[in-house]
Amino acid sequence: DTEVTQTPKHLVMGMTNKKSLKCEQHMGHRAMYWYKQKAKKPPELMFVYSYEKLSINESVPSRFSPECPNSSLLNLHLHALQPEDSALYLCASSQGPSPLHFGNGTRLTVT
Amino acid sequence: AQSVTQLDSHVSVSEGTPVLLRCNYSSSYSPSLFWYVQHPNKGLQLLLKYTSAATLVKGINGFEAEFKKSETFFHLTKPSAHMSDAAEYFCVVSGYSASKIIFGSGTRLSIRP
Repeated sequence: DTEVTQTPKHLVMGMTNKKSLKCEQHMGHRAMYWYKQKAKKPPELMFVYSYEKLSINESVPSRFSPECPNSSLLNLHLHALQPEDSALYLCASSQGPSPLHFGNGTRLTVT
Repeated sequence: AQSVTQLDSHVSVSEGTPVLLRCNYSSSYSPSLFWYVQHPNKGLQLLLKYTSAATLVKGINGFEAEFKKSETFFHLTKPSAHMSDAAEYFCVVSGYSASKIIFGSGTRLSIRP
């Protein structure tokens, strides 16, 4: 079992929908991350929150909007996505820059 | 600057035989090095980590990695493969910042009965 919990496990949404991905950790880590992973590829960094403040945004399109309500929670709000945004979205946390502790991800399909 | 290269995209071994997954890295300073495993439709699980001093790093599930700074490789080994080891493996180099976490391209390990 992973110590980083992501919900939902699967999500299918249309291009006009608004949905949110959720991530929770109770390890006391102060850094939290969103990664996007396409099939047969390594994860790609999207966002990093450090002490609940956005510290890194890897030029991600504005249709992805992160939010860190508190030190244990991380959300990713989705709006007007494209089919090419279909992927596995992974949340991770760490104490310092590494090592990363990953959740099991949300498999997103955009129709 | 940092970089990491996994030399094999796919490795296939028979159950009970040794496993070797190769990773070369470059870094302008002493890096932290990691191996992660990803089973289908799962997140990445930390197998082992090297941060300083040790030359042989022991991880979970019988995996080990040898660190040789002079040769800049961090190969992952296991004496005897098990069917449950079939997965994707990622070698990771990490620097001082979250944006300096570099993933290798991955190696798919298949296990033949």
